[in-house]
Amino acid sequence: GENVEQHPSTLSVQEGDSAVIKCTYSDSASNYFPWYKQELGKRPQLIIDIRSNVGEKKDQRIAVTLNKTAKHFSLHITETQPEDSAVYFCAASPNNFNKFYFGSGTKLNVKP
Amino acid sequence: NAGVTQTPKFQVLKTGQSMTLQCAQDMNHEYMSWYRQDPGMGLRLIHYSVGAGITDQGEVPNGYNVSRSTTEDFPLRLLSAAPSQTSVYFCASSTRGASGNSPLHFGNGTRLTVT
Repeated sequence: GENVEQHPSTLSVQEGDSAVIKCTYSDSASNYFPWYKQELGKRPQLIIDIRSNVGEKKDQRIAVTLNKTAKHFSLHITETQPEDSAVYFCAASPNNFNKFYFGSGTKLNVKP
Repeated sequence: NAGVTQTPKFQVLKTGQSMTLQCAQDMNHEYMSWYRQDPGMGLRLIHYSVGAGITDQGEVPNGYNVSRSTTEDFPLRLLSAAPSQTSVYFCASSTRGASGNSPLHFGNGTRLTVT
């Protein structure tokens, strides 16, 4: 089955700096890659997603890039704010039945 | 819309006990799934369903049963609880999008402790 690896496991940045989280996947059939943000004690919530026919997608301070050849995708957060502090998960889906395989998560700490 | 509703929020079981985690969605989504979340391991798929009457196994199905008799409901049964099943359980639903896969909508989770 699909295997998703996520790095780093923890990331600490100063407010205003950029943060980058990277994921790799193993199954070349994966075609949909969402990113979720999870605050402590809460459910994961979608922040951005990208499909395999697109190389980059941006939504205000958040962007995701996808390199299908290298099988990796990354989350970029610019001008970080303390409210960006949370755990971020990447995921990959290799079929159209909405089965998802998640990375192990990155705990982002934005210091004021 | 309430979205995805999970009950209970917290549960403590003794080893060997059985119980059912409830999940209901009011968005008329075709797909429903159960994930467990353990520290440092992300979310792992237990079972999923592509429609009423159809279920299949995910990555970690052992010790769990599911059924989907209606579009709205997707309960998860623990047959004989073990300490290794201590985890946070999330139910999720999604729809069959025109472009393929679509995002998961998660419930608020059930925190289960097995002693």
